[in-house]
Amino acid sequence: GAVVSQHPSRVICKSGTSVKIECRSLDFQATTMFWYRQFPKKSLMLMATSNEGSKATYEQGVEKDKFLINHASLTLSTLTVTSAHPEDSSFYICSARDSGIREFFGPGTRLTVL
Amino acid sequence: AQSVAQPEDQVNVAEGNPLTVKCTYSVSGNPYLFWYVQYPNRGLQFLLKYITGDNLVKGSYGFEAEFNKSQTSFHLKKPSALVSDSALYFCAVRDGGYSTLTFGKGTMLLVSP
Repeated sequence: GAVVSQHPSRVICKSGTSVKIECRSLDFQATTMFWYRQFPKKSLMLMATSNEGSKATYEQGVEKDKFLINHASLTLSTLTVTSAHPEDSSFYICSARDSGIREFFGPGTRLTVL
Repeated sequence: AQSVAQPEDQVNVAEGNPLTVKCTYSVSGNPYLFWYVQYPNRGLQFLLKYITGDNLVKGSYGFEAEFNKSQTSFHLKKPSALVSDSALYFCAVRDGGYSTLTFGKGTMLLVSP
């Protein structure tokens, strides 16, 4: 099956710093990528939809200036959490969709902000 | 707007017994329905989907789900549970092929030896 990777898998940073998370589709071209956030024992909440070559579409309540998304190529999308604070600590999961219907999920990135 | 309800926070079943994890949905158009499984600190793994066709869908690891349009349900089932099936299960719906996915809150399945 299709593979989506995320890097890093785990990151710890100090409050006020910025963190970049990469999401790559390894064996297919992803026209659309999605970024989700998952709190402990909670469901996945869609943060934004990322289309290659265009600006991301953010869900209501998600600060676009805080969560910067770049979809520079058909295989790479990045999420940058700017000026991170402890409340940004979470599990971030990306997914990628090819020209079909299925979404392929990355393994997730655990962000801890001290 | 689309939504998914998973009424059970947790389902407990003994190994070897059948299991059911419930899911109901609401969409305005044609439902595209999915089940995913998540192990601790891992991403989501696809189990199965219903788009059209036969109401009984067979997926990975012996799981299956039945689409019931009149009850707007898509319950996940397995005839004989394994301890290794213990994980967090998510039902998800999409209104048509190209809208975004909406997830249920998840159901923790615990299979005891």
